[in-house]
Amino acid sequence: DTGVSQDPRHKITKRGQNVTFRCDPISEHNRLYWYRQTLGQGPEFLTYFQNEAQLEKSRLLSDRFSAERPKGSFSTLEIQRTEQGDSAMYLCASSETGTDTQYFGPGTRLTVL
Amino acid sequence: GENVEQHPSTLSVQEGDSAVIKCTYSDSASNYFPWYKQELGKGPQLIIDIRSNVGEKKDQRIAVTLNKTAKHFSLHITETQPEDSAVYFCAAHSGAGSYQLTFGKGTKLSVIP
Repeated sequence: DTGVSQDPRHKITKRGQNVTFRCDPISEHNRLYWYRQTLGQGPEFLTYFQNEAQLEKSRLLSDRFSAERPKGSFSTLEIQRTEQGDSAMYLCASSETGTDTQYFGPGTRLTVL
Repeated sequence: GENVEQHPSTLSVQEGDSAVIKCTYSDSASNYFPWYKQELGKGPQLIIDIRSNVGEKKDQRIAVTLNKTAKHFSLHITETQPEDSAVYFCAAHSGAGSYQLTFGKGTKLSVIP
């Protein structure tokens, strides 16, 4: 069991640049979630996939954010024209269909200068 | 939407003592309540969860209680050890077709040897 993996673990970028993060869920987990966590806060839900279908999106997910899961396996989260307020830990989680338990990856720490 | 309040924000206990963290939720439709432990630089790790049809659940030194009427749930850690030091988050699952978790702001637990 390799768990949820995320890449990269750290990303430093300049304001205005685009960044993309990758998440590989636990094998055979149909559901995949993205959360954002800022310093001193709990994770906040961004979006959720059931296989390749994006079924829920938070109002936190502005039009600069886009997420995909093209083949129902790994997912990518892209942030365009990054802003300093985007600096946060981006967490990915996965779960099996029919269960509520979400398993989190180690996260990608984004710093926007 | 769901709102989860968590107290206290920080908690210090002597090794061997018990620790209790409390959370309240707002949405009476919520039916799943996990607790996560997060160590510095890592993703949240599920430690225990409870569903709304159960009042209490125990796993070795960790227990969770749920009071649906009052809409609150608590985490109890007995015989604390230094390795229990971390940030603990409660969360609630909104149910009603939504799979997002709403998290509390976290409790930083310090176990003093």
